[in-house]
Amino acid sequence: AQSVTQLGSHVSVSEGALVLLRCNYSSSVPPYLFWYVQYPNQGLQLLLKYTTGATLVKGINGFEAEFKKSETSFHLTKPSAHMSDAAEYFCAVIPNNAGNMLTFGGGTRLMVKP
Amino acid sequence: GAVVSQHPSWVICKSGTSVKIECRSLDFQATTMFWYRQFPKQSLMLMATSNEGSKATYEQGVEKDKFLINHASLTLSTLTVTSAHPEDSSFYICSAKRTSGRLLSAETQYFGPGTRLLVL
Repeated sequence: AQSVTQLGSHVSVSEGALVLLRCNYSSSVPPYLFWYVQYPNQGLQLLLKYTTGATLVKGINGFEAEFKKSETSFHLTKPSAHMSDAAEYFCAVIPNNAGNMLTFGGGTRLMVKP
Repeated sequence: GAVVSQHPSWVICKSGTSVKIECRSLDFQATTMFWYRQFPKQSLMLMATSNEGSKATYEQGVEKDKFLINHASLTLSTLTVTSAHPEDSSFYICSAKRTSGRLLSAETQYFGPGTRLLVL
């Protein structure tokens, strides 16, 4: 079964600092990979995704993620954190060889200090 | 864009009543919709996959008679929590997949804003 691990349920950075949110997946076949953001009391918004092609994917709000097959990772980064980036971030995968099911990681709450 | 709406956004009800939550894809057709449940400070747990015109597929441990799903059209799926009890209080989120489109967008799920249910 597919699993997704987000290392660190809480990450705190200062405004202007680098944001790094970690995501590792377990799969022998590279899956489709996603990062979603959830603001309080709201649904999920797609930040970016990787399906095929270039392994460095750029998303909205200045975020990007790099698919590293050798490390089975898809870490999310942003060079400079803004206060508005404070939210819950979810990494998710869909197996490349099957259907619809989106499997989520446990989530990482990003806090940004002024 | 791909917009998914949910109604209502908040609902408070007495124990024993049934609550219906609607999920609509506003600007695209969705053969497949998904219902998730999210407890406070936790990740999303898939409850069921809803396919237009056919029975929903429920995940293990989810009672199909408790959580009734109807996907009557390509833009609407409903989740009815029957005889709700306090332990059903949660944040329910739906998502929808495009029926057609470029391959690279076909796998993406678009999420609704969620419905917070509080059962007293």
